[in-house]
Amino acid sequence: AQSVTQLGSHVSVSEGALVLLRCNYSSSVPPYLFWYVQYPNQGLQLLLKYTTGATLVKGINGFEAEFKKSETSFHLTKPSAHMSDAAEYFCAVSDAAAGTALIFGKGTTLSVSS
Amino acid sequence: EAEVAQSPRYKITEKSQAVAFWCDPISGHATLYWYRQILGQGPELLVQFQDESVVDDSQLPKDRFSAERLKGVDSTLKIQPAELGDSAMYLCASSPQGLAGFYEQYFGPGTRLTVT
Repeated sequence: AQSVTQLGSHVSVSEGALVLLRCNYSSSVPPYLFWYVQYPNQGLQLLLKYTTGATLVKGINGFEAEFKKSETSFHLTKPSAHMSDAAEYFCAVSDAAAGTALIFGKGTTLSVSS
Repeated sequence: EAEVAQSPRYKITEKSQAVAFWCDPISGHATLYWYRQILGQGPELLVQFQDESVVDDSQLPKDRFSAERLKGVDSTLKIQPAELGDSAMYLCASSPQGLAGFYEQYFGPGTRLTVT
């Protein structure tokens, strides 16, 4: 069975600092991996995804993530945090073979202080 | 830009009452998902449709929840009777994918349900 673990339910950074949100996954088949962002009382917006090919994936708003198969990780980074990045972030995995629904982690709340 | 529509955005209901949520996916999207997101947790799949057929409803509490997508377009999720533990955000998503291959899922704004 697939699963996602997000390390750290809450991350706080200063504006301009590096953002690092951690995600580890478990999957018996090659996974598709995703990061979504959710603002209060809104739906989820896709930041980036890894399906096949290049393991370093660039997304919207300056975010990127690297798929590391040996570490079963897909950590999300951004070189310089902005106040508008404060939100809830979810890592998700999908069974690439079956193309089924997403399995989400519990989320990480990112706070950005000035 | 096409979006997934959901209504209502907020719903407050009393325990034991019936409640229904509506979702209109992006035009042409064959696959529709209903997820439930309890406060402080990630979304969890309740039911997945491919056109008008249910593909996966293994996590749907069938004694009180029902879902339909009669013409393979919009969908309704119903809870009867509602329980306190049903308080959550109900998210609808759609995707153009078939059962083979993968396409991105697009999420609606959700319906926030509060059961009192």
